[in-house]
Amino acid sequence: SQKIEQNSEALNIQEGKTATLTCNYTNYSPAYLQWYRQDPGRGPVFLLLIRENEKEKRKERLKVTFDTTLKQSLFHITASQPADSATYLCALDISGGYNKLIFGAGTRLAVHP
Amino acid sequence: EAQVTQNPRYLITVTGKKLTVTCSQNMNHEYMSWYRQDPGLGLRQIYYSMNVEVTDKGDVPEGYKVSRKEKRNFPLILESPSPNQTSLYFCASSSGSAGGSQNIQYFGAGTRLSVL
Repeated sequence: SQKIEQNSEALNIQEGKTATLTCNYTNYSPAYLQWYRQDPGRGPVFLLLIRENEKEKRKERLKVTFDTTLKQSLFHITASQPADSATYLCALDISGGYNKLIFGAGTRLAVHP
Repeated sequence: EAQVTQNPRYLITVTGKKLTVTCSQNMNHEYMSWYRQDPGLGLRQIYYSMNVEVTDKGDVPEGYKVSRKEKRNFPLILESPSPNQTSLYFCASSSGSAGGSQNIQYFGAGTRLSVL
């Protein structure tokens, strides 16, 4: 069965540093992968989508990489700020782009002043 | 404002008492889904709907029912709730179709359900 793993331990970093979160998956070749942000008591909010033929995607301070050989995506936040503190979820397409996603359990990021 | 609205946000009930959680979206999206979120397990899809009157099981459908009589509404029904259905539930919608930005999920604020 498909499996998607994110580091379950919280990531604590200092303000201004780059945060790097990892998403690993097995047993599938996804057409795309998504990253979401979730704040306590709120629903996830979409951040970035990267397709299987894309190595890297950027949006402001966010960068996502996608290595289909390693079956891994890395999510980077540069110049991190306390407001970036949240849980970050990765989601994998397992239906060739037809809206069937599986989600990782998320990694909690805490950025300290 | 584009949004997905779930009600209620919090619900405490007893075993066996039927309940419905409503979900409505104002983005004219074709696809709607229900997920449950449990600690350490991530979001798991319960049911999804590709359009009006078209629904299908997700990964954890047991004990749940859904209906899609109108494009904007996708209620989740628990006919006989049990304590193992205590969870945080999210409704989501997307514009569907293969690939591209259309598969972005827009989530509601969540419904925290406790079944005693």
